[in-house]
Amino acid sequence: DAGITQSPRHKVTETGTPVTLRCHQTENHRYMYWYRQDPGHGLRLIHYSYGVKDTDKGEVSDGYSVSRSKTEDFLLTLESATSSQTSVYFCAIRDKLNTGELFFGEGSRLTVL
Amino acid sequence: GQSLEQPSEVTAVEGAIVQINCTYQTSGFYGLSWYQQHDGGAPTFLSYNGLDGLEETGRFSSFLSRSDSYGYLLLQELQMKDSASYFCAPDYGGATNKLIFGTGTLLAVQP
Repeated sequence: DAGITQSPRHKVTETGTPVTLRCHQTENHRYMYWYRQDPGHGLRLIHYSYGVKDTDKGEVSDGYSVSRSKTEDFLLTLESATSSQTSVYFCAIRDKLNTGELFFGEGSRLTVL
Repeated sequence: GQSLEQPSEVTAVEGAIVQINCTYQTSGFYGLSWYQQHDGGAPTFLSYNGLDGLEETGRFSSFLSRSDSYGYLLLQELQMKDSASYFCAPDYGGATNKLIFGTGTLLAVQP
């Protein structure tokens, strides 16, 4: 199993507060991704990274920022959480290109009240 | 964003064969992946088609036709444990290397 952990696994917060989710990998994989999953929408890409300090926006990046200061950590930050950001957030890592294989973390369930 | 279509729900009985279709946008397309997700769990990788044709992995097979922008996942000898959501995920590689997931197909296997 790929060594990928997300923290926190569960969080309840209030509207307007900042939230940071952490994705940590022990595989030294280059590519890392943040997805959110909501009923009826499947998995939607928020941001992704293709190396240290190299990040780009995905499909639903508004309201989110990311940082990757070292290979093993990819942080997702909600600067000012809103109720529409209540979701399950999945981090994924990828080593090789042209295999289509991502390894997912167990998810972080965020509730914004 | 990239358009992606797959059926929302499929129902089948144990022992049967089911096919889940997927159509995708071709711009920047590299290959097609399939993932399985059980309720409450993380998605797990099933298969990848980088070339046209059929890839077989045990009871599961996946097919790709680039000319038709179409692929499918074939599940044979269905078991109750196959009840899950299945996602096709086109790989839009190049500089971006991102996988875009569809809304998924919920497969219900009945006894």
